[in-house]
Amino acid sequence: QKEVEQNSGPLSVPEGAIASLNCTYSDRGSQSFFWYRQYSGKSPELIMSIYSNGDKEDGRFTAQLNKASQYVSLLIRDSQPSDSATYLCAVLTGGGNKLTFGTGTQLKVEL
Amino acid sequence: KAGVTQTPRYLIKTRGQQVTLSCSPISGHRSVSWYQQTPGQGLQFLFEYFSETQRNKGNFPGRFSGRQFSNSRSEMNVSTLELGDSALYLCASSLGGGPRQPQHFGDGTRLSIL
Repeated sequence: QKEVEQNSGPLSVPEGAIASLNCTYSDRGSQSFFWYRQYSGKSPELIMSIYSNGDKEDGRFTAQLNKASQYVSLLIRDSQPSDSATYLCAVLTGGGNKLTFGTGTQLKVEL
Repeated sequence: KAGVTQTPRYLIKTRGQQVTLSCSPISGHRSVSWYQQTPGQGLQFLFEYFSETQRNKGNFPGRFSGRQFSNSRSEMNVSTLELGDSALYLCASSLGGGPRQPQHFGDGTRLSIL
């Protein structure tokens, strides 16, 4: 079992729809969870962090965390073509600052 | 506020050579982590430095090493380069004091081995 798992996609949604991206993790002791967006040929850009169970909203983005189910999700409301990118789920594992990444979900927002 | 700066952006080397990559963190950030990104393996953690000490290490061979200076700038060295070392090398910095301090990435150094 991989430490952090994501569906690789591509996930295609029409413009204006809600995109739902999911991630599961194996380490029950994990405390910190992050979503990064990566455009082709660019470096990852932090878009959300979440540390407690429940929802966290920031603009069009909502991160959801369920530690009991070891599940993290990212909702993107009113999806725009500019949201087309690969979304990486990252979990802080072990000590220090080691981030373990999923393989990423490619999102395509279609006109 | 300036972001994470990595130099050089692109590098071409041949097998057997060695290479040094540089990373300047965001001002005030004391933790610097290095990651390797390849199409096949995705993003993998190499190591982390905090206050000039290696605090965490991933599963990479000893050919991969790093260090951090007193101004928090970090360098990564890869010796005896192999074809499989071709990758995007990313540096990320954070304040480093606890688990709720996100890491911010630089633009990366794209290393190609011929």
